[in-house]
Amino acid sequence: DGGITQSPKYLFRKEGQNVTLSCEQNLNHDAMYWYRQDPGQGLRLIYYSQIVNDFQKGDIAEGYSVSREKKESFPLTVTSAQKNPTAFYLCASTPQGNSNQPQHFGDGTRLSIL
Amino acid sequence: GENVEQHPSTLSVQEGDSAVIKCTYSDSASNYFPWYKQELGKRPQLIIDIRSNVGEKKDQRIAVTLNKTAKHFSLHITETQPEDSAVYFCAARVTGGGNKLTFGTGTQLKVEL
Repeated sequence: DGGITQSPKYLFRKEGQNVTLSCEQNLNHDAMYWYRQDPGQGLRLIYYSQIVNDFQKGDIAEGYSVSREKKESFPLTVTSAQKNPTAFYLCASTPQGNSNQPQHFGDGTRLSIL
Repeated sequence: GENVEQHPSTLSVQEGDSAVIKCTYSDSASNYFPWYKQELGKRPQLIIDIRSNVGEKKDQRIAVTLNKTAKHFSLHITETQPEDSAVYFCAARVTGGGNKLTFGTGTQLKVEL
């Protein structure tokens, strides 16, 4: 869906290194989400933010960190504490955090270990 | 928390046949059920969704049914075409849960000529 931009498309991480994945949206959406997708599995929620300057842990937050300093931006940092970071990472947004409105996804970032 | 199970994990049909994918959920407070289609290496795209106050919704060749009592919902694709080949995910949202979605593990649908 247009309006959600993830970068880079591919990212490689060295052992012990932190890396940051970018997610920007120009849809004026309040809520943003980060998911991890592994082969043969569904999407699992890492972190989500319903409003600027606020975020909550999802189901698999360990080894990840986020910030929400601006409405349009929700970067995800994969820290060295995440021992198995290889996955496809998807960012999503929705107009409001507590409404039955569809989540719209970015094109994803594929993270691999060097 | 919510748990969503999806079956089958793979489904192969002949072009023109119908395909049915089923999901069950655990939390009776869930009130919103979207279905996403994901082609290889691409983003999931919403194809249809249903809210708990309706039992069925249809959009051209795609329909979704919801049985709140049994806590299951299904995706029906009629007159399948090769371009329907993809992975399909169901999801469920619990009321007041910050619009968090819990996803099923996906169904790889292959439409054969």
